[in-house]
Amino acid sequence: QSVLTQPPSVSGAPGQRVTISCTGSSSNIGAGYDVHWYQQLPGTAPKLLIYGHSNRPSGVPDRFSGSKSGTSASLAITGLQAEDEADYYCQSYDSSLSGPGVFGTGTKVTVL
Amino acid sequence: EVQLAESGGGLVQPGGSLRLSCAASGFTFSSYAMSWVRQAPGKGLEWVSGISGRAGSTYYADSVKGRFTISRDNSKNTLYLQMKSLRAEDTAVYYCAKVSGGSGSYYLGYWGQGTLVTVSS
Repeated sequence: QSVLTQPPSVSGAPGQRVTISCTGSSSNIGAGYDVHWYQQLPGTAPKLLIYGHSNRPSGVPDRFSGSKSGTSASLAITGLQAEDEADYYCQSYDSSLSGPGVFGTGTKVTVL
Repeated sequence: EVQLAESGGGLVQPGGSLRLSCAASGFTFSSYAMSWVRQAPGKGLEWVSGISGRAGSTYYADSVKGRFTISRDNSKNTLYLQMKSLRAEDTAVYYCAKVSGGSGSYYLGYWGQGTLVTVSS
């Protein structure tokens, strides 16, 4: 049971915009800790997608964007493409836990 | 180019042991903390263990504390995870990852391809 909750699945047609929420609490996102996002394509290792709320590593298309408000964060994918079909995980730090970070529950994005 | 390559996974009986290795290249290995993250079949990600660049500090998830030991050999650019008293619930793909960021904002900038550990009789 993670302290960061994501919807199990979201879907959209090619070209549409979809958003994935990551809901936390006052001991993680609400405390101002950074939120990071990972993309896991089928059968592959996770890959860093967004770090520090909204920064994209080199090579990540600007169709992916991150934001944060209160105790939640969001990942938006605009101009959805077939190759975006994957699992997405948020990650942050939680002051009530001992580890360096905690992952969200994960969201499966399906391109219709 | 950063590269991380895990090895050492396989089938092991409950109660058995296994040592995973992760060979790193493309960056100054000793300057970065490293971590192990696992993913059980069809499940999400779990941050299992971490170690600082000079191996001065370590972290273990409660689920593996006392059974797993993380270590590193900076002269060989290699990260290890010694796993003992393995249980069926330890069955997962184990990824090594390079840690970036700072306190309160750690993230995993690079991941290996993973190695599968199956605990079964």
